[in-house]
Amino acid sequence: QVQLVESGGGVVQPGRSLRFSCAASGFTFSNYGMHWVRQAPGKGLEWVAVISYDGSNKYYADSVKGRFTISRDNTKNTLYLQMNSLRAEDTAVYYCAKEKGSAWANGMDVWGQGTTVIVSS
Amino acid sequence: QSVLTQPPSASGTPGQRVTISCSGSSSNIGSNTVNWYQQLPGTAPKVLMYSNNQRPSGVPDRFSGSKSGTSASLAISGLQSEDEADYYCATWDDSLNAWVFGGGTKLTVL
Repeated sequence: QVQLVESGGGVVQPGRSLRFSCAASGFTFSNYGMHWVRQAPGKGLEWVAVISYDGSNKYYADSVKGRFTISRDNTKNTLYLQMNSLRAEDTAVYYCAKEKGSAWANGMDVWGQGTTVIVSS
Repeated sequence: QSVLTQPPSASGTPGQRVTISCSGSSSNIGSNTVNWYQQLPGTAPKVLMYSNNQRPSGVPDRFSGSKSGTSASLAISGLQSEDEADYYCATWDDSLNAWVFGGGTKLTVL
């Protein structure tokens, strides 16, 4: 079955960097776009970024543009989120999600269980 | 402030029908299809409806979706206790070049 497993969460100081990974299985990873979505404690869902099936197209939320980078390695069936210049407001559960199509406009149809980052001094 | 507007809460008794609205604009709902996600307490979100009114396999037909102009809605008929969850609408925004979510609606089954 389709499975997405995030890793890389933890506690980090403001201004530092962190990288999340999302290992995908159960589907042809290289055929689908992939998203990152986050949820701050007690808050709603906030879309973070999306990457197309081949990595040629990437889009970001304004709140993370210039600080976060989404990437993928189709040979390893793995999605990444590099987060730099972290702020307290980046504290959240981060979900990796599979895009229903090959690009970015059909939406998320399968979600991982999430990984948590706490940005605090 | 979310780009898509949902009521923060909704409620109903078992067996009732409830509707959750999602209001947007011409650059998002007006131009693209809407997905709905259900998030049970303490769990990851799950897709409930995609392309306005298409149910993924495994989603009961008690759930239905619709879209008209710049608004969409999710209807749940025959309400059950296990439907108690947070519900989110989402769509692509052509002006922002970003996915946008509604603020979420907490459904309580009385």
